[in-house]
Amino acid sequence: DAGVTQSPTHLIKTRGQQVTLRCSPKSGHDTVSWYQQALGQGPQFIFQYYEEEERQRGNFPDRFSGHQFPNYSSELNVNALLLGDSALYLCASRVTGGPRETQYFGPGTRLLVL
Amino acid sequence: AQSVTQLDSQVPVFEEAPVELRCNYSSSVSVYLFWYVQYPNQGLQLLLKYLSGSTLVKGINGFEAEFNKSQTSFHLRKPSVHISDTAEYFCAVSDQESEETSGSRLTFGEGTQLTVNP
Repeated sequence: DAGVTQSPTHLIKTRGQQVTLRCSPKSGHDTVSWYQQALGQGPQFIFQYYEEEERQRGNFPDRFSGHQFPNYSSELNVNALLLGDSALYLCASRVTGGPRETQYFGPGTRLLVL
Repeated sequence: AQSVTQLDSQVPVFEEAPVELRCNYSSSVSVYLFWYVQYPNQGLQLLLKYLSGSTLVKGINGFEAEFNKSQTSFHLRKPSVHISDTAEYFCAVSDQESEETSGSRLTFGEGTQLTVNP
């Protein structure tokens, strides 16, 4: 079992560009969440996808959007990049079924916006 | 809404010494509590979680945490640390009602860097 995988591992963009990050959940998991972790801070919840729909959303602008595919994989899209979007983006997956189901995190994609 | 405060940003200790990483939370609703560990260039790994029942929770790698509702705390402890425990530790909470209805959404603290020196 490969666990949660994310691609790419690192990415450099310039202000105003758009970026797409990808996540493959752990085998058997159907719920995917995305978090942003700025340098020296804890992760912040962006949104969660279940059954191909956004189920919850954190306090992030509409420039952040996502998608979940029928195979449960997910994408995070960020438009009009700002310097402040530089961060580690973490994907987490879980089986729907409450907190007794452990949420697993991927290694993250490190995004640098210049 | 919930918030999490990790009272120490850095904790240096010597190998084989005991350690306590402190976490306080604020919430208007009942919460579940978690501790995660992040090694360099890796994602987060769950150490332990408190859902209900006994307030003393045991996790992986010899860690344990105690839930104190009156003090709204969930401190992490280990009686004897190893060099390999050097990492960033995050305390997190989730809203119980949201967990049951609309899925997990974790609120994290800012982290505590534990450095174990020989």
